Amino acid sequence: DAGVTQSPTHLIKTRGQQVTLRCSPKSGHDTVSWYQQALGQGPQFIFQYYEEEERQRGNFPDRFSGHQFPNYSSELNVNALLLGDSALYLCASSPGTGRADTQYFGPGTRLTVL
Amino acid sequence: LAKTTQPISMDSYEGQEVNITCSHNNIATNDYITWYQQFPSQGPRFIIQGYKTKVTNEVASLFIPADRKSSTLSLPRVSLSDTAVYYCLVGDWETGGFKTIFGAGTRLFVKA
Repeated sequence: DAGVTQSPTHLIKTRGQQVTLRCSPKSGHDTVSWYQQALGQGPQFIFQYYEEEERQRGNFPDRFSGHQFPNYSSELNVNALLLGDSALYLCASSPGTGRADTQYFGPGTRLTVL
Repeated sequence: LAKTTQPISMDSYEGQEVNITCSHNNIATNDYITWYQQFPSQGPRFIIQGYKTKVTNEVASLFIPADRKSSTLSLPRVSLSDTAVYYCLVGDWETGGFKTIFGAGTRLFVKA
């Protein structure tokens, strides 16, 4: 059973560009959350998707948007990239059907903005 | 969401028991306590979760006092491979989704 997968592994962009990151959840999971982790810091919650809708959102600007597809996979889009967007972007999935569901994280996508 | 406070770093030696305490004074009645482990350039990995008293699994134990304002993750007989960052999280799914808030975590360094 494959766990959470993310693509690409690494990505280099320049300021002002747009980027799309992809995530496939663990089999049987229907909820996907995205996190941004800067070097030396804990992951920061961006948003969570369930039934193809954004259910929760952290303190991130509208430049960060997402989508969930009928097969529960998800995309994170970031527009007008800034140098400060350089980070490890993590995707996590969970069953989303019970209380205090644990989240399973993918390996992340390392985004570098030059 | 309840804020959590953990020590920034801890050092230990191989074979010792390590206890990492997390403070969460504003924990709500429905909140669960979850601990994650993270190695460099990898996603966090679930370690253990509990609501009250004591929970034990194959890798760790979680001690939660009656007032639930703190919790202690106990790692028995650590090895070099336990060197990682450990995060304590508090929250509940029922309020329309789980908005997970990670703190800075505790950097555990295990020495030979």
